[in-house]
Amino acid sequence: EVQLVESGGGLVQPGGSLRLSCAASGFTFRSYEMNWVRQAPGKGLEWVSYISGGGETVYYADSVKGRFTISRDNAKNSVYLQMNSLRAEDTAVYYCARVLTQRMDVWGKGTTVTVSS
Amino acid sequence: DIQMTQSPSTLSASVGDRVTITCRASQSISSWLAWYQQKPGKAPKLLIYKASSLESGVPSRFSGSGSGTEFTLTISSLQPDDFATYYCQQYNSFWTFGQGTKVDIK
Repeated sequence: EVQLVESGGGLVQPGGSLRLSCAASGFTFRSYEMNWVRQAPGKGLEWVSYISGGGETVYYADSVKGRFTISRDNAKNSVYLQMNSLRAEDTAVYYCARVLTQRMDVWGKGTTVTVSS
Repeated sequence: DIQMTQSPSTLSASVGDRVTITCRASQSISSWLAWYQQKPGKAPKLLIYKASSLESGVPSRFSGSGSGTEFTLTISSLQPDDFATYYCQQYNSFWTFGQGTKVDIK
């Protein structure tokens, strides 16, 4: 079964850091690009970051550029999101999603990040 | 940046109704558009890609159309499982979602 499982969310103070992980199974992970997408409470979906299959190419939304870093370890079938200098507006459920010909065809269940003092 | 605008924001309908949701892009995105369904507390689910291609396993009552800047998602006969929020998403240049359309019970 194709599956993505996020972890690493939690409560963090403003200015703090958090590292999210997404573990993939059921498909050849290295062959797929991956995205992180977030959803603030009661709000819509916002794309956050992209990484190519080999990890050479990464992109970020303007709202997180310079603060978040995406990476992957194909030996561990995992993609990561390092989040620094967190702000209240980063509070959201964070989803990882598999990218297939640019569309997001498989999603994890999400992990919740709360930035609050 | 490409902006996506959906209408309506909320739609009240009954089981069996034909439902249409519209999505407009701020510039041409060819057919690089997807539709997702999301239920409360759940991850989004891909329904339609490349504007009109049905994702595997998705019921045929869902259909998509359009190209350029105007797109529609149609549910031919609304079923109880279809009450949810629907998002369009462009993937012509990075990824941008519409603000969502909530389909609720009339």
